[in-house]
Amino acid sequence: NAGVTQTPKFQVLKTGQSMTLQCAQDMNHNSMYWYRQDPGMGLRLIYYSASEGTTDKGEVPNGYNVSRLNKREFSLRLESAAPSQTSVYFCASSVQGGASTEAFFGQGTRLTVV
Amino acid sequence: KNEVEQSPQNLTAQEGEFITINCSYSVGISALHWLQQHPGGGIVSLFMLSSGKKKHGRLIATINIQEKHSSLHITASHPRDSAVYICAAGGGGNQFYFGTGTSLTVIP
Repeated sequence: NAGVTQTPKFQVLKTGQSMTLQCAQDMNHNSMYWYRQDPGMGLRLIYYSASEGTTDKGEVPNGYNVSRLNKREFSLRLESAAPSQTSVYFCASSVQGGASTEAFFGQGTRLTVV
Repeated sequence: KNEVEQSPQNLTAQEGEFITINCSYSVGISALHWLQQHPGGGIVSLFMLSSGKKKHGRLIATINIQEKHSSLHITASHPRDSAVYICAAGGGGNQFYFGTGTSLTVIP
């Protein structure tokens, strides 16, 4: 029962470096999300994809890009990492969009930008 | 302005105690979610409810739509219940409003 799988689990980047966080789900879900979690703050939505081929900005999209490669995979890219992007990143998926459906989360990626 | 407020922020309990975590929200919702996050681990959905009460094992979630308030209860708490519990209000569309979480520690 893989559910939502994120890679990597940990990453340290230097300021200005780029990287891609990978996310895959095996539940045939239509909607996928990327959140960041910072101390003292609730989860904040970066981007979401309501279905294959579509993506939309969330609350904090600046500095990030996403790709919904296919129904299973939704990647998050940092083109030029900044210390402010140090955070824990979570990918999630749900059968369909809308906040009245259950979301399934990955294990998180702890990113540090130095 | 926080659309979702949780209390308490931190909670320490003795094993066996009855625990209550509260969540108040200020937005209209389609559903209220309770999530559990273990240290160093991912996030797991515990409950999704839009009215009344739901029970799963020793966990009970209630919601009062008129008062815009939800509670998560844990009966006969156990050290393995130690985690961060997050309340999330599901608004319109894909919008979730997350609380900052309640950190629970259950001492043997």
